[in-house]
Amino acid sequence: KQEVTQIPAALSVPEGENLVLNCSFTDSAIYNLQWFRQDPGKGLTSLLLIQSSQREQTSGRLNASLDKSSGRSTLYIAASQPGDSATYLCAAARTNPNNAGNMLTFGGGTRLMVKP
Amino acid sequence: DGGITQSPKYLFRKEGQNVTLSCEQNLNHDAMYWYRQDPGQGLRLIYYSQIVNDFQKGDIAEGYSVSREKKESFPLTVTSAQKNPTAFYLCASTAGKIYGYTFGSGTRLTVV
Repeated sequence: KQEVTQIPAALSVPEGENLVLNCSFTDSAIYNLQWFRQDPGKGLTSLLLIQSSQREQTSGRLNASLDKSSGRSTLYIAASQPGDSATYLCAAARTNPNNAGNMLTFGGGTRLMVKP
Repeated sequence: DGGITQSPKYLFRKEGQNVTLSCEQNLNHDAMYWYRQDPGQGLRLIYYSQIVNDFQKGDIAEGYSVSREKKESFPLTVTSAQKNPTAFYLCASTAGKIYGYTFGSGTRLTVV
């Protein structure tokens, strides 16, 4: 059974710092991995999706990497801003040939606070 | 704009009542999912549906029921058999295996 772990559980940094959020998964047979952002009391917003054949994806100040062999993904946030404060979740996708979509296993999240 | 609409945003349930959470999408996605989120426990899968008129149990289906009569709609009923229903409920959909998930804004259910 897939298990996804995110470290650290909480992180507080001053504005402007570059930071790395970690995600590890126990079963390397994933189809893809997705990073989400969740603001308090809100739904999940997709940030980046990395297919299993890819090594990284970039969107603006965000860069996500994927190393299937070691069971790890990282989310790099450059030049952090107070508006980046949120909980960041990673989710590893497993697939079933009979299903139209993948099944996600979520990590517990990293709660990020960026101080002005 | 395409997306997923969940309603209501807040819902209060009395003991012994059944309540239904709505999830509607206009993304033309085949697969739809219901997740429950509790503090400190992350998201757990309740039910999912790959196609109209078909759905499967997830990891914590007991006390819940769903239907998928239309491609756009996947309502979740929280029955009186669910002993601890207070949680944040999230609906999601995807266009297929190579695509990511899109989530709705959630419904917070509280037992009073």
